[in-house]
Amino acid sequence: NAGVTQTPKFQVLKTGQSMTLQCAQDMNHEYMSWYRQDPGMGLRLIHYSVGAGITDQGEVPNGYNVSRSTTEDFPLRLLSAAPSQTSVYFCASSGDFSGRALEQYFGPGTRLTVT
Amino acid sequence: GQQVMQIPQYQHVQEGEDFTTYCNSSTTLSNIQWYKQRPGGHPVFLIQLVKSGEVKKQKRLTFQFGEAKKNSSLHITATQTTDVGTYFCAGPGYSTLTFGKGTMLLVSP
Repeated sequence: NAGVTQTPKFQVLKTGQSMTLQCAQDMNHEYMSWYRQDPGMGLRLIHYSVGAGITDQGEVPNGYNVSRSTTEDFPLRLLSAAPSQTSVYFCASSGDFSGRALEQYFGPGTRLTVT
Repeated sequence: GQQVMQIPQYQHVQEGEDFTTYCNSSTTLSNIQWYKQRPGGHPVFLIQLVKSGEVKKQKRLTFQFGEAKKNSSLHITATQTTDVGTYFCAGPGYSTLTFGKGTMLLVSP
């Protein structure tokens, strides 16, 4: 199993550009989520999905869109990149979230710089 | 909304010294999870505590869940340079997991 994979590993964007961060998992996990990590801020939830076709907003959703057309894939779209979106982005998946949260498996991350 | 606070934010110890990080939630938790992130890496799950007053050990690491299920701690005995990293606690809310800001541990040989 590859686990959770993310592409690209690094990306530099100019302000106003759009792009999609890819995330895939091969563990047949229902729950997937996107976090951003900034120095001193910990991990902040952007969007999450409890299954194919279902997404919801987390703590910091503005400027980002997601979709979940398959169980395996959960792409994160930046609509119009801003310097404030410079961050490290982690995708994570979990077997279930009903009742008792299970451990999250994190991808290796995408380091994004917006100039 | 739910808040999870961790202290200290940062700790620098000499190899062989002990280390403890504390986690406090604004709400009662059904369980609490701990993760470790090595420098330049991604968070990796360490353990989950579910029962009130639960204590679990993993070699030199001891995890505790408070009686009221609102606080937790991670204690490392006799730190080693391999313990370097940031330790996060996380508590579940409704369909989401809220992470503390983490405690960064530096260990000098």
